[in-house]
Amino acid sequence: KQEVTQIPAALSVPEGENLVLNCSFTDSAIYNLQWFRQDPGKGLTSLLLIQSSQREQTSGRLNASLDKSSGRSTLYIAASQPGDSATYLCAVKGQDGGATNKLIFGTGTLLAVQP
Amino acid sequence: DAMVIQNPRYQVTQFGKPVTLSCSQTLNHNVMYWYQQKSSQAPKLLFHYYDKDFNNEADTPDNFQSRRPNTSFCFLDIRSPGLGDAAMYLCATSRSLASGWRFFGPGTRLTVL
Repeated sequence: KQEVTQIPAALSVPEGENLVLNCSFTDSAIYNLQWFRQDPGKGLTSLLLIQSSQREQTSGRLNASLDKSSGRSTLYIAASQPGDSATYLCAVKGQDGGATNKLIFGTGTLLAVQP
Repeated sequence: DAMVIQNPRYQVTQFGKPVTLSCSQTLNHNVMYWYQQKSSQAPKLLFHYYDKDFNNEADTPDNFQSRRPNTSFCFLDIRSPGLGDAAMYLCATSRSLASGWRFFGPGTRLTVL
């Protein structure tokens, strides 16, 4: 059974700092991995999606990497801003024939960027 | 803008009183999902529709039902809400079952009194 873990559960950094959020998963047979952002009381916003054949994806100040063999993904945020404060969740999609639709989510990392 | 819309954003109901949450999408996606998210927990998939085909997760209580009258709309019905059903309910869509991208709505916060 796939399990997704995100450490730390919460992180506070000063504005301008570069930071890394971690995601680990127990079953390396994944179809893809997706990073989401969730603001308090809101829905999820997709940030980046990495297919199983890819090593990384970049969007603006965000860079996500994937190491399937070690069951790990990282989300790198450059030059953090107070507006980046949110909960960041990763989710993996299984590879059982590619037909499954189920995303397995981590519980997220709550990020606070202090002005 | 193409998007996923959920109504209402906040819903208060009484213990045992049926409630319906609504989701609509302008993306013309084939798949629509309902997730339940309790405080500080990961979203939990309740069920999904692929076109008109309904797929229930094995551990979704019978108290939860869903309807998809057309491509654009999907409803979540909670027949007899209990206190434990208080949560954020998230609707999401994807173009296909194989598609990795999920597009989420803003959620409906359900309170049960």
